[in-house]
Amino acid sequence: EAGVAQSPRYKIIEKRQSVAFWCNPISGHATLYWYQQILGQGPKLLIQFQNNGVVDDSQLPKDRFSAERLKGVDSTLKIQPAKLEDSAVYLCASSPKAIAGYSYEQYFGPGTRLTVT
Amino acid sequence: AQTVTQSQPEMSVQEAETVTLSCTYDTSESDYYLFWYKQPPSRQMILVIRQEAYKQQNATENRFSVNFQKAAKSFSLKISDSQLGDAAMYFCAYRSEMNRDDKIIFGKGTRLHILP
Repeated sequence: EAGVAQSPRYKIIEKRQSVAFWCNPISGHATLYWYQQILGQGPKLLIQFQNNGVVDDSQLPKDRFSAERLKGVDSTLKIQPAKLEDSAVYLCASSPKAIAGYSYEQYFGPGTRLTVT
Repeated sequence: AQTVTQSQPEMSVQEAETVTLSCTYDTSESDYYLFWYKQPPSRQMILVIRQEAYKQQNATENRFSVNFQKAAKSFSLKISDSQLGDAAMYFCAYRSEMNRDDKIIFGKGTRLHILP
């Protein structure tokens, strides 16, 4: 079974530039997550999709971050314009749809390391 | 709001020895799940072990086991016979059963070094 794919693996941009990250979840997984992991911290959820609908985007800085999941499969996360504090690893994860009484494992991609200079 | 605290930023253990990573959490809920995730230097996060709060028996997975103390809100991870491949960041995580959105809250992590 193929895992969660992300690209690019590394990106360096200057502040105020734009950047986009791509994620391809495991086939059949209804739920997709984008996390921000700042160096020395645990992942923080930015946005969660179930199929192509947003479940939770309460921690997404909507003035500069946007995300979409067209057709309920691949997803892109965009930052426009980037700030220095956006330097982090952006992790994508997917899981089957949650059901009552059981918590499915989240499968993580390798992440995209973003450096904003 | 739920919180997860890992008070040990870094730990070291001699190869083949046993090490315990600590985790405490705060919640007012009675039904939830707890996890330990491992993140090796390559950054692919993988699940090590999970514990359902309603289960009294501590979860085990080969050399990995947990000590789940529900009343104390403590969830430590024990790694027996440590191996070089165990070197990684370890994250303790919490998921509510009441919220069906499957959202996970992570601690800040503990970096584990294995000394040959």
